[in-house]
Amino acid sequence: DGGITQSPKYLFRKEGQNVTLSCEQNLNHDAMYWYRQDPGQGLRLIYYSQIVNDFQKGDIAEGYSVSREKKESFPLTVTSAQKNPTAFYLCASSDYWASYEQYFGPGTRLTVT
Amino acid sequence: GQQLNQSPQSMFIQEGEDVSMNCTSSSIFNTWLWYKQEPGEGPVLLIALYKAGELTSNGRLTAQFGITRKDSFLNISASIPSDVGIYFCAGQLTGNQFYFGTGTSLTVIP
Repeated sequence: DGGITQSPKYLFRKEGQNVTLSCEQNLNHDAMYWYRQDPGQGLRLIYYSQIVNDFQKGDIAEGYSVSREKKESFPLTVTSAQKNPTAFYLCASSDYWASYEQYFGPGTRLTVT
Repeated sequence: GQQLNQSPQSMFIQEGEDVSMNCTSSSIFNTWLWYKQEPGEGPVLLIALYKAGELTSNGRLTAQFGITRKDSFLNISASIPSDVGIYFCAGQLTGNQFYFGTGTSLTVIP
């Protein structure tokens, strides 16, 4: 089955620790995205990658980092510099950058205490 | 970044009722999308709109691209319990990122 997987579903970390969220797709899509979702707010773009070995900052990139060494993988690291890291994180992919057909993963809920 | 305003924020309706929600922006968009998100899951695309005034249906769902290009509307007819979820709109200028709305939470009472 083709799709996007994110792991783990729930993640708990202590303040001051970096944490990496996994995102894998087997849809052969060039573009991948990371969004952050907070209660009562729309999805906000953290980083995106139009093609392997390339990535760009989105609207709220501060305190986050990404890599895109393989087409199918786009991990997100939430660093200790992110002031409010507790949120629901969604990964998405699309055939090409800014295609309307973005497919979303099931999300990872990160709680930092 | 831009934020799209959706209303209402939440709705509690009886099964069988029709539902209407809308999304407004201060910016013009070339594409409007509507997504549904169920608890603990990622959003799923319901309808995509490409032209001002366009009206598109997907089963019991009908969405419209506002004439001003600054708004969009979603209607659900004869709601059923599995319609429960959060409905998001998203707007895009061609070739650019999507901006998402604040969401409308729908509860259907059997």
